[in-house]
Amino acid sequence: SQKIEQNSEALNIQEGKTATLTCNYTNYSPAYLQWYRQDPGRGPVFLLLIRENEKEKRKERLKVTFDTTLKQSLFHITASQPADSATYLCALDRGSSNTGKLIFGQGTTLQVKP
Amino acid sequence: DAMVIQNPRYQVTQFGKPVTLSCSQTLNHNVMYWYQQKSSQAPKLLFHYYDKDFNNEADTPDNFQSRRPNTSFCFLDIRSPGLGDAAMYLCATSRDPSTDTQYFGPGTRLTVL
Repeated sequence: SQKIEQNSEALNIQEGKTATLTCNYTNYSPAYLQWYRQDPGRGPVFLLLIRENEKEKRKERLKVTFDTTLKQSLFHITASQPADSATYLCALDRGSSNTGKLIFGQGTTLQVKP
Repeated sequence: DAMVIQNPRYQVTQFGKPVTLSCSQTLNHNVMYWYQQKSSQAPKLLFHYYDKDFNNEADTPDNFQSRRPNTSFCFLDIRSPGLGDAAMYLCATSRDPSTDTQYFGPGTRLTVL
């Protein structure tokens, strides 16, 4: 079955630097991969989606890459700010076809220090 | 504007005492999902409704049930909560099962005493 691996250790960076978070999956390449942000005690909020035929996607200071050969997605936040501190979850469809059922990684917590 | 609303935000129940969590949505989405998220873990899908069709995950305990009386509302019933059921319960919606984005509510934190 499909598994997602995200670095469980918190990522601490200085304000203004670029944060890079990693999401690895173990089995078949999904049709798309999503990134969500989750603040403590809140539900996840959708950030970006990248499809298997897209190498890179950008939205303001966010950038996502998708490498189906490496079975990996990288999530970048440029010019990071303390307000970017949160847990970032990677998610993908649990089926080899588009089932609409997501499985989530456990998330990586980002801490941006002023 | 609130889109996916969950009530209550915090729920305390006693071991074995039935509890119901509620979710409502103003998005008019066809699909509603319930997830369980324990501390520092990934959200885990329990079940979902596509319109009135109920889809249970194979590993969801029988202790967990759900009802969707109309498009806007969906309930999670825990018949006999155990200590292991203490978690954040997240409701989410999407336009249809193949739609990419899911919209989450703020969650209900369940404590079992």
